[in-house]
Amino acid sequence: AQSVTQPDIHITVSEGASLELRCNYSYGATPYLFWYVQSPGQGLQLLLKYFSGDTLVQGIKGFEAEFKRSQSSFNLRKPSVHWSDAAEYFCAGPRGSTLGRLYFGRGTQLTVWP
Amino acid sequence: GAGVSQSPSNKVTEKGKDVELRCDPISGHTALYWYRQRLGQGLEFLIYFQGNSAPDKSGLPSDRFSAERTGESVSTLTIQRTQQEDSAVYLCASSFNGGGQPQHFGDGTRLSIL
Repeated sequence: AQSVTQPDIHITVSEGASLELRCNYSYGATPYLFWYVQSPGQGLQLLLKYFSGDTLVQGIKGFEAEFKRSQSSFNLRKPSVHWSDAAEYFCAGPRGSTLGRLYFGRGTQLTVWP
Repeated sequence: GAGVSQSPSNKVTEKGKDVELRCDPISGHTALYWYRQRLGQGLEFLIYFQGNSAPDKSGLPSDRFSAERTGESVSTLTIQRTQQEDSAVYLCASSFNGGGQPQHFGDGTRLSIL
């Protein structure tokens, strides 16, 4: 089935450390892929998206993600995590042919230690 | 308004009652999406409105669920004869480009069925 999977339910990192959140996809063709963040007390926000072309995508808040076809992955990265990055992160891909209909992963909760 | 507005923020109701959830999208956004997030799970697509096109209702879980949208404005999601499994956070999102992914989410309505 076409879907995305986030293998890690919870990740803890120290402030200033680097971060990588995993997302694996199962689509036949190159999919459109997205990362969203849900911060405490705030609505879900689009961090970045990959449609085609350059496999390294830059997003807001200093995040980036790399599309790797060979590994069927679209991992989210940040070189140096800030305490304000503590949130839940969702990877998403299309469900069917319309982008409005997205399949979201179960999310990865990020805790940042001071 | 500045963002997507949803009301009520919380709703507690008895099993079997009908509920109506409201979403005010960002002004000028042609696309509107409803998702729900059950405890411990990722977001689940419900329905997608794009301008005057017929809505994509493929995610509605049963005929107890319906949604309407007035032009490119307010949307209401109605759940009839609520069941306990309907308990979730119902999220509304809107976007400007319509043919793309949900861009801006509201804070959601937390629905609890007793």
